[in-house]
Amino acid sequence: TQLLEQSPQFLSIQEGENLTVYCNSSSVFSSLQWYRQEPGEGPVLLVTVVTGGEVKKLKRLTFQFGDARKDSSLHITAAQPGDTGLYLCAGARQAGTALIFGKGTTLSVSS
Amino acid sequence: EAQVTQNPRYLITVTGKKLTVTCSQNMNHEYMSWYRQDPGLGLRQIYYSMNVEVTDKGDVPEGYKVSRKEKRNFPLILESPSPNQTSLYFCASRGHHSYEQYFGPGTRLTVT
Repeated sequence: TQLLEQSPQFLSIQEGENLTVYCNSSSVFSSLQWYRQEPGEGPVLLVTVVTGGEVKKLKRLTFQFGDARKDSSLHITAAQPGDTGLYLCAGARQAGTALIFGKGTTLSVSS
Repeated sequence: EAQVTQNPRYLITVTGKKLTVTCSQNMNHEYMSWYRQDPGLGLRQIYYSMNVEVTDKGDVPEGYKVSRKEKRNFPLILESPSPNQTSLYFCASRGHHSYEQYFGPGTRLTVT
């Protein structure tokens, strides 16, 4: 059973477009994280959200944690080729416990 | 620089030949874990360790062993590798009360 469902699985867009990636679950998490992974490298943490309804911004990236702490979204404004990569969401039931990963969204941004 | 290191980065071996992938972190983290990443299956946890001499199975532990004799090191051992263990392996670490996990650069293993 995949506890964290990410959608879409693949996304191919043109430079300058906006996009949203979703991470959904029927379970409640104490935190959700978003990672970005480039080919041949390990995932790199982008953000952690811990409060229901929380919104965090990282330049052109906006992350939101659902009010019920069961889902999260990542919105990218004016995508650039450098945004290309695999985006992973991961949830934790509590700090220090195992992270549960979604299968990821592969984003390709062409110029 | 805070980091997780893994060695080797690439390894091609044959079925049955024991191998060890090393992992080391310099952040004094208590929690360390091993994942494998396969197309269509995502990241799956193999083993984890809450602290020195404390290890436990993750989601896919069959065919793997680990040890945690020192806080900074968490080697992954394949006693008798098989082709279905061909994968991309990541070591990761985290502070005991932290959510943020730091990943190593990965080890691409091919078993023929």
